[in-house]
Amino acid sequence: GIQVEQSPPDLILQEGANSTLRCNFSDSVNNLQWFHQNPWGQLINLFYIPSGTKQNGRLSATTVATERYSLLYISSSQTTDSGVYFCAVGRGSTLGRLYFGRGTQLTVWP
Amino acid sequence: EAQVTQNPRYLITVTGKKLTVTCSQNMNHEYMSWYRQDPGLGLRQIYYSMNVEVTDKGDVPEGYKVSRKEKRNFPLILESPSPNQTSLYFCASSLGRPSAKNIQYFGAGTRLSVL
Repeated sequence: GIQVEQSPPDLILQEGANSTLRCNFSDSVNNLQWFHQNPWGQLINLFYIPSGTKQNGRLSATTVATERYSLLYISSSQTTDSGVYFCAVGRGSTLGRLYFGRGTQLTVWP
Repeated sequence: EAQVTQNPRYLITVTGKKLTVTCSQNMNHEYMSWYRQDPGLGLRQIYYSMNVEVTDKGDVPEGYKVSRKEKRNFPLILESPSPNQTSLYFCASSLGRPSAKNIQYFGAGTRLSVL
């Protein structure tokens, strides 16, 4: 399978700070997604980004597929950004199979 | 309202007693998947289904069975649960293989404890 490593494992910020979360993967992929799990356990899809850059409000993501990494940027963080951020990857040879990283636990203090 | 519904939300059982966790979606999605989440390990895929009667193994299929007899339902079956299957389980669905157009929707999770 594909190995997915996320860093840092934990991140503690004050409200208003910016942060960068990283996802490294061990093989070429054509499917990469970022998810957020809020403190109540709910999982929400943030981005589908196998390559390039996307932005959605204060969040943006960049994937450099040739170098096998993706970055999730959170600007002007808010307490509601707290939770766990997961990166998941897949490739076309195994449609539907997704490999998740272990996540980054983000805590934003007021 | 578009949703993925898992039942039960919480379950405590004993080793060896067969159980089924149900998952149902009301969006006519073709793709459905089961994951388990354990502290420090993230999510790991158990089984997924690309369509009715089409299922495939994920990372950790041992000890689990699934069936996809109709599009809306994708039950997870533990024939003989063991304590190492104590975990938080999520069901997800999307219109097709997860992609930019086919966003995955997740259920609220089922917390299972096997004593």
